[in-house]
Amino acid sequence: GAGVSQSPSNKVTEKGKDVELRCDPISGHTALYWYRQSLGQGLEFLIYFQGNSAPDKSGLPSDRFSAERTGGSVSTLTIQRTQQEDSAVYLCASSLGTGSSSYNEQFFGPGTRLTVL
Amino acid sequence: KNQVEQSPQSLIILEGKNCTLQCNYTVSPFSNLRWYKQDTGRGPVSLTIMTFSENTKSNGRYTATLDADTKQSSLHITASQLSDSASYICVVIHRDYKLIFGSGTRLLVRP
Repeated sequence: GAGVSQSPSNKVTEKGKDVELRCDPISGHTALYWYRQSLGQGLEFLIYFQGNSAPDKSGLPSDRFSAERTGGSVSTLTIQRTQQEDSAVYLCASSLGTGSSSYNEQFFGPGTRLTVL
Repeated sequence: KNQVEQSPQSLIILEGKNCTLQCNYTVSPFSNLRWYKQDTGRGPVSLTIMTFSENTKSNGRYTATLDADTKQSSLHITASQLSDSASYICVVIHRDYKLIFGSGTRLLVRP
C-alpha cells in the first residue's frame, strides 16, 4: 500500500556525532537504494541492496558511511563522526527488481534532510 | 566519465506557455533514460522512461524525446500549469540499476 517512507524527515546534529537514517521500502520490493542530494547538486548514488546479494557500496564517499538492510526490508544508513560536508538530503528508493524494464522503476521516499552544525 | 548535463539550470515561464528542457549525457553502457519531477521537499517521481530504441514518449502534457546517436534528450511541457513548478531531473540508467542523475532544471510557472 504505502510508498517508501523515511525517518526522521529532518535531523540536525553537531559535527563529530553519529547519525542513523531509516528507510522503509515498499513491501515486496527486493531492491533498495540510497542517494545523497547536496544543495544545488544532482543526486549521488551511495549504495544498493538486491535481495541476499552483497551490496554495491561503490558510491559511499568514505568509511564513515555504512548501511545495513535487515531481513531484506528496512535499511539504516549510518554516518559516523559527521562533518559539515555531510549536510544534504538523503533519499532512499526501492524497486521490485533490477533491469531496464519499467516494471523495475525506482520509487523514492521523501528524504531525510541532514544538517551538521 | 559518466555524466548527465541539463540546461537551462532554471527557467521562468508564464502559465499556459510551453517550454523545453534539455539533457545531454555521456553514460555508457546506456540502459534507458528517465525524466523525473521533484517537488520541493519530496522525492523524485518518474514522468517518462525510454529505452535507446524509442524516440519519443508522452505522459499527458509531458513529451520526452531521445536521440541515442547524439546522446541528447528533451522534455517538452505543453500548456504549463502552476503545479508544473518543480525541478525536472534527467536520469540515465547505467547498466541495470545505477542511476546517473543530472543536476536538474528548476522550473517556475508564474500566473
